[in-house]
Amino acid sequence: GDSVTQMEGPVTLSEEAFLTINCTYTATGYPSLFWYVQYPGEGLQLLLKATKADDKGSNKGFEATYRKETTSFHLEKGSVQVSDSAVYFCALSEDTDKLIFGTGTRLQVFP
Amino acid sequence: GAGVSQTPSNKVTEKGKYVELRCDPISGHTALYWYRQSLGQGPEFLIYFQGTGAADDSGLPNDRFFAVRPEGSVSTLKIQRTERGDSAVYLCASSLTGAHYGYTFGSGTRLTVV
Repeated sequence: GDSVTQMEGPVTLSEEAFLTINCTYTATGYPSLFWYVQYPGEGLQLLLKATKADDKGSNKGFEATYRKETTSFHLEKGSVQVSDSAVYFCALSEDTDKLIFGTGTRLQVFP
Repeated sequence: GAGVSQTPSNKVTEKGKYVELRCDPISGHTALYWYRQSLGQGPEFLIYFQGTGAADDSGLPNDRFFAVRPEGSVSTLKIQRTERGDSAVYLCASSLTGAHYGYTFGSGTRLTVV
């Protein structure tokens, strides 16, 4: 069945460092791909998405490119801030209307 | 309302008891979803409503779990004979256009079965 694999956390960075959180997926078809973020004490929020191969999703300085050849959707940000500290979830959706999530990666950014 | 509202935010219940968790979606959103998030895991799909009907309930773990959405708006997730393994955060989400364009999640109900 479909699945999402994320790098284990926590990822610990200093402010202004470059961030990469790896995400790979397994799917039978051509899924839409998502990154959701969960800030402390808040609900899950959609961060960005891509619906077809080679699409780049971007929001709040974060980017991820849908790579069909490597079945990946890695999240990147050029310069992280303390306020980016959160748990990040990679997810996919195929023909059905449900999301399949990875286990999440906790990001901790220190000043 | 402005967002997806879930009540209660926390629920502690004794093993064997019955619980109801409520979700009030964004006004006008026809699609409503329930997920369960265990500690250290990503959310797992439980059930999806399109309007009043359950379009996909394949994620409900067993027949102790049931959900309704009688008027196509508010939904209630019902758990009978609760077990300690049911302890988790139960998340509700709603969408106007479906999963492919992203959902709006509520803050969840943290259920603890003691």
